[in-house]
Amino acid sequence: GDSVTQMEGPVTLSEEAFLTINCTYTATGYPSLFWYVQYPGEGLQLLLKATKADDKGSNKGFEATYRKETTSFHLEKGSVQVSDSAVYFCALSDGGGSEKLVFGKGTKLTVNP
Amino acid sequence: DAGVIQSPRHEVTEMGQEVTLRCKPISGHDYLFWYRQTMMRGLELLIYFNNNVPIDDSGMPEDRFSAKMPNASFSTLKIQPSEPRDSAVYFCASSRLTGGSRTEAFFGQGTRLTVV
Repeated sequence: GDSVTQMEGPVTLSEEAFLTINCTYTATGYPSLFWYVQYPGEGLQLLLKATKADDKGSNKGFEATYRKETTSFHLEKGSVQVSDSAVYFCALSDGGGSEKLVFGKGTKLTVNP
Repeated sequence: DAGVIQSPRHEVTEMGQEVTLRCKPISGHDYLFWYRQTMMRGLELLIYFNNNVPIDDSGMPEDRFSAKMPNASFSTLKIQPSEPRDSAVYFCASSRLTGGSRTEAFFGQGTRLTVV
């Protein structure tokens, strides 16, 4: 079945450092790809998404590009802030929408001042 | 809009007791999802509904788990009898079609269940 693999955490960075969180996927069709973020004590919020190959999703300084050839959707940010500390989840949906999201295990990011 | 509303936020119960988790989706959303989050297994889809009808319950772990959606604004997830291994955070999410495409899933804040 479909699956998502993302880098194990936790990740600890200093403010203004560059962030990369790797995500690769396995899917039989043409999935949509998502990054969700979970702040402490809260539910998941959509951070960005891409629905087809070579699409770039971006939001709040975060970016991820849908790479079909490498089945990857790595999350990047050029300069992290303390407020970015959260757990980040990579996910896919094979229905072109949001049905049956399959999530990675999550990567906890801590940004120190 | 108030977003997806779950209750209770925290539940502590004794093994063997019945537990009912509640969810109010965002008004106008036609899909509703129940997920479970644990350290060991991460986020797992338990069941989802479309227009109040269960579409896929293959993620429901056992017959002890059941879910209902009696109307468009309310759903329940029931565990009877509960066991310590059911301890987890349970999330409800909803989504809808807009402009011919589906919105992302909007999540509630979750119910943290502890079974002792």
